[in-house]
Amino acid sequence: GQQLNQSPQSMFIQEGEDVSMNCTSSSIFNTWLWYKQDPGEGPVLLIALYKAGELTSNGRLTAQFGITRKDSFLNISASIPSDVGIYFCAGRNNDYKLSFGAGTTVTVRA
Amino acid sequence: DTEVTQTPKHLVMGMTNKKSLKCEQHMGHRAMYWYKQKAKKPPELMFVYSYEKLSINESVPSRFSPECPNSSLLNLHLHALQPEDSALYLCASSQVTANYGYTFGSGTRLTVV
Repeated sequence: GQQLNQSPQSMFIQEGEDVSMNCTSSSIFNTWLWYKQDPGEGPVLLIALYKAGELTSNGRLTAQFGITRKDSFLNISASIPSDVGIYFCAGRNNDYKLSFGAGTTVTVRA
Repeated sequence: DTEVTQTPKHLVMGMTNKKSLKCEQHMGHRAMYWYKQKAKKPPELMFVYSYEKLSINESVPSRFSPECPNSSLLNLHLHALQPEDSALYLCASSQVTANYGYTFGSGTRLTVV
């Protein structure tokens, strides 16, 4: 599948901060997914979005499926140290292929 | 059971060895996948099985040979690998008929020496 444009590439967080990352695509998707991957582990699904305009929360995480179906964002509120890791967005249509973003690496600011 | 279980977690093999990676899920998912992931990069699709039949091969070299013995198991047979094949190999599963997300396993960290 195509690679999505995910930004920022990396970010530093301070405990308690709100952070945001987003993904854009040149083509539309029926489903947007956000995964988090810790070192040495597989990606874990955080939020799945199925309808344009949908806003979904999972604890301190909130994600939206853009109206154009070509973009999505993920917000993390009140960051905690265990939020560090690599976050991937992914888009899916009516086939078996996921198109991934390049990932956003989240690190704790010393 | 909402997990995809992969074994082994780590594997070191020589370029002349034959080894197999195993994956198991009991979520009733009828689509199963093999992905390859290099450090700090997104996963890359290798193979897709749907209803135990190979439906996608992303032009993967023949030294990687997938097998789906039944609806819960997926294997990846490895033979004559190269050092550049060292990576994290991820198995995933999903429902076939809906646009749901995939459930990934924890992966096998493969090192070819």
